Amino acid sequence: QSVLTQPPSVSGAPGQRVTISCTGSSSNIGSIYDVHWYQQLPGAAPKLLICGTINRPSGVPDRFSGSKSGTSASLDITGLQAEDEAYYYCQSYDSRLRALVFGTGTKVTVL
Amino acid sequence: QVQLQESGPGLVKPSQTLSLTCTVSGDSIISGSYSWTWIRQSAGKGLEWIGRMRTNGDTDYNLSLTSRVTVSLDTSKNQLSLRLTFVTAADTAVYYCARGRLDYGSVYFDYWGQGTQVTVSS
Repeated sequence: QSVLTQPPSVSGAPGQRVTISCTGSSSNIGSIYDVHWYQQLPGAAPKLLICGTINRPSGVPDRFSGSKSGTSASLDITGLQAEDEAYYYCQSYDSRLRALVFGTGTKVTVL
Repeated sequence: QVQLQESGPGLVKPSQTLSLTCTVSGDSIISGSYSWTWIRQSAGKGLEWIGRMRTNGDTDYNLSLTSRVTVSLDTSKNQLSLRLTFVTAADTAVYYCARGRLDYGSVYFDYWGQGTQVTVSS
């Protein structure tokens, strides 16, 4: 069972904004550890979307943005597009488990 | 461009040992301060970090798997290996290798292999 909890699904119409939450605790997100986000398209490996909580790797559209507050982090997708339909995972480090940990995953559906 | 490619048997019998190899191209596995990592994904448990070897030779493993897992590097072949002993059906998953880097407050994975399905069944 993952220590980072995400909503199973979120949906939005093209052009809208959706937000995916990632809830952790004081031993991971609520501590000094950054949060990272990955996009997984059907049948593909996860792809890095956000690193260091707020940074976009080269090639990632600025429609994707990350933030963190307390023991939670969020991924915002603005101007939703059909190609954004995928699973999204958060990831951090947990000092109690001494392990790199992933969120439970969220499926984004474009209506 | 860094590329990773997993290889190994797709079917392993219960109680046997799962052995996978990840061939890295476009970068030397001993260059930089990276951690070469195995991650798996099963329907029931999502993404699970298995373990890693850093370029300095240090290893870290998921505490739930530490008694059964070994991650190693073969620098002559530029490969990463995974060995998981005494497998059960719960080890059935897609196994990924990935490059981890620590630019920020925790390690993240910037390059991934395509993944390889491993099924544990008699």
